[in-house]
Amino acid sequence: DVKVTQSSRYLVKRTGEKVFLECVQDMDHENMFWYRQDPGLGLRLIYFSYDVKMKEKGDIPEGYSVSREKKERFSLILESASTNQTSMYLCASSLGLRGQHTEAFFGQGTRLTVV
Amino acid sequence: KQEVTQIPAALSVPEGENLVLNCSFTDSAIYNLQWFRQDPGKGLTSLLLIQSSQREQTSGRLNASLDKSSGRSTLYIAASQPGDSATYLCAVSSLYGNKLVFGAGTILRVKS
Repeated sequence: DVKVTQSSRYLVKRTGEKVFLECVQDMDHENMFWYRQDPGLGLRLIYFSYDVKMKEKGDIPEGYSVSREKKERFSLILESASTNQTSMYLCASSLGLRGQHTEAFFGQGTRLTVV
Repeated sequence: KQEVTQIPAALSVPEGENLVLNCSFTDSAIYNLQWFRQDPGKGLTSLLLIQSSQREQTSGRLNASLDKSSGRSTLYIAASQPGDSATYLCAVSSLYGNKLVFGAGTILRVKS
């Protein structure tokens, strides 16, 4: 079974802190994604990567950056956390050619609260 | 811009009932469509994936159909159980893009 693992289930950070959310997948997938999920807004794509060191902006990249130094690991970075970044963050991976999806698999989510 | 709509937003049924969840999308140029289940506070679990060339997929009590020309998919759940209670999300992958576009989901409650 594909396994996508996010480093934390729950995280509480202070405003202005630099926050790292880590995601690791064990199936050699090319594509990796970061979404955030908010009530009434659904899932929105922040960033995705289709190869090591490659990244593309999604719908809401402002205030975020990403890093993919190794194929299995995709990190989401909040440069200076703000209260409006309080959300559920979901990582996903999929096999496929550049950006084209096969079945996508999600991690268990990280509930981030910024105080 | 692709938009995905799910109807109904919420559904409450007695145990044992067969039910249908609906998903519609505005742009038929899709690569595939995927149905997910999400339990409260958890991540998404993949249920079924339908490629654009396929009409349906089945897994156990679940059957998903796809009519690409009309921009519609349905998820049929047979003999519903309380354990089926969750939010069900559909998502489409564009033929030309790089991302999954999600619907808002249907919250299902199966009463025992």
